[in-house]
Amino acid sequence: AQSVTQLGSHVSVSEGALVLLRCNYSSSVPPYLFWYVQYPNQGLQLLLKYTSAATLVKGINGFEAEFKKSETSFHLTKPSAHMSDAAEYFCAVRDTSGTYKYIFGTGTRLKVLA
Amino acid sequence: DGGITQSPKYLFRKEGQNVTLSCEQNLNHDAMYWYRQDPGQGLRLIYYSQIVNDFQKGDIAEGYSVSREKKESFPLTVTSAQKNPTAFYLCASSISGQGHNEQFFGPGTRLTVL
Repeated sequence: AQSVTQLGSHVSVSEGALVLLRCNYSSSVPPYLFWYVQYPNQGLQLLLKYTSAATLVKGINGFEAEFKKSETSFHLTKPSAHMSDAAEYFCAVRDTSGTYKYIFGTGTRLKVLA
Repeated sequence: DGGITQSPKYLFRKEGQNVTLSCEQNLNHDAMYWYRQDPGQGLRLIYYSQIVNDFQKGDIAEGYSVSREKKESFPLTVTSAQKNPTAFYLCASSISGQGHNEQFFGPGTRLTVL
């Protein structure tokens, strides 16, 4: 069964510092991977997705993620954190076994310090 | 504008009552999903539907029921059998079938049992 693991339920960075949110996946076939952002009391918004077209994926708000098959990782990065980046971030993988469900990680809450 | 609407945004229920959460989409998506979100637990799948008049149980379906009589609508009923219904509920939709299609999320309904 496919799964994703997000290391670190809480991450704090200073404004202007590098943001690194970790996601590792488990899949026996090439996965479809996603990163979503959720602001308090709102729904999830897609940041970016891996479609196998390129290993480095650029998303909205200056975020990007790199697919590394050898490390089974899809970490999310942003060179310079902004206060508005404070939110919860979810990594997800689409089940390709026939159910077409999406499996979500437990989320990482990002705090940006002034 | 295309999107997903959920209503109400806040819902209060007395113990022993059934309540129905509304989810409507005008994205022409075949697939729709209901998730429950509790702090620190990510998103847990309650029910999903790949096509009208068909739906499947997710990981935590006990105490919930759904219907899918129209493509645009996927209401969720929280029954009195759900022991701990206080949570944030998210509805989502996507293009059905295999592929890297992402989910689109509604703004959520926060249910509180009094």
